[in-house]
Amino acid sequence: DQQVKQNSPSLSVQEGRISILNCDYTNSMFDYFLWYKKYPAEGPTFLISISSIKDKNEDGRFTVFLNKSAKHLSLHIVPSQPGDSAVYFCAASDRSGNTGKLIFGQGTTLQVKP
Amino acid sequence: GAGVSQSPSNKVTEKGKDVELRCDPISGHTALYWYRQSLGQGLEFLIYFQGNSAPDKSGLPSDRFSAERTGGSVSTLTIQRTQQEDSAVYLCASSSGPYRAETQYFGPGTRLLVL
Repeated sequence: DQQVKQNSPSLSVQEGRISILNCDYTNSMFDYFLWYKKYPAEGPTFLISISSIKDKNEDGRFTVFLNKSAKHLSLHIVPSQPGDSAVYFCAASDRSGNTGKLIFGQGTTLQVKP
Repeated sequence: GAGVSQSPSNKVTEKGKDVELRCDPISGHTALYWYRQSLGQGLEFLIYFQGNSAPDKSGLPSDRFSAERTGGSVSTLTIQRTQQEDSAVYLCASSSGPYRAETQYFGPGTRLLVL
């Protein structure tokens, strides 16, 4: 029962262009969503988050969009840089549970070509 | 800077042996989480500690898995009678509390290979 899904295992974009990473979820109790970035042999690092009361959150080159009716969120990176090449994980949380545990998608490997 | 540390970084063991994985959270962080990442999969929640108690153990896959936390700090994840399907990267994360999910800081993980 995969509650958070990232259907694209990989994505390749040219430097300077937009990267769009997608994520779908099934549990309507999720009310907080996050994106993490992971380099090989390192732990995930937090990138950006969004509460279910919003539909957009922006932080520099990173913007997360949330479409609650479609149970879909996306991460936009503009402009993409070679240093953005990493695995990106979408994660969701049901904050009413008060544990803070995160449910992760399978990850999308982004390659940004110079 | 003192981030989350985990040891060992790599562990190779034989099927049937017990292993212990250690996590040192960020000082002062009351919440501690264990996740694991199997090959080609996302991170899977295992257990959550608040202080020394574990109010959520729902992710532990079997009774061969156990974890404890002492002094509100270091945590140990123990896998008894390891099986090949236990091979994965085990990640620990800590945060200042469970109410702000974005403040989970992850360690580098322990790569476990069961032969």
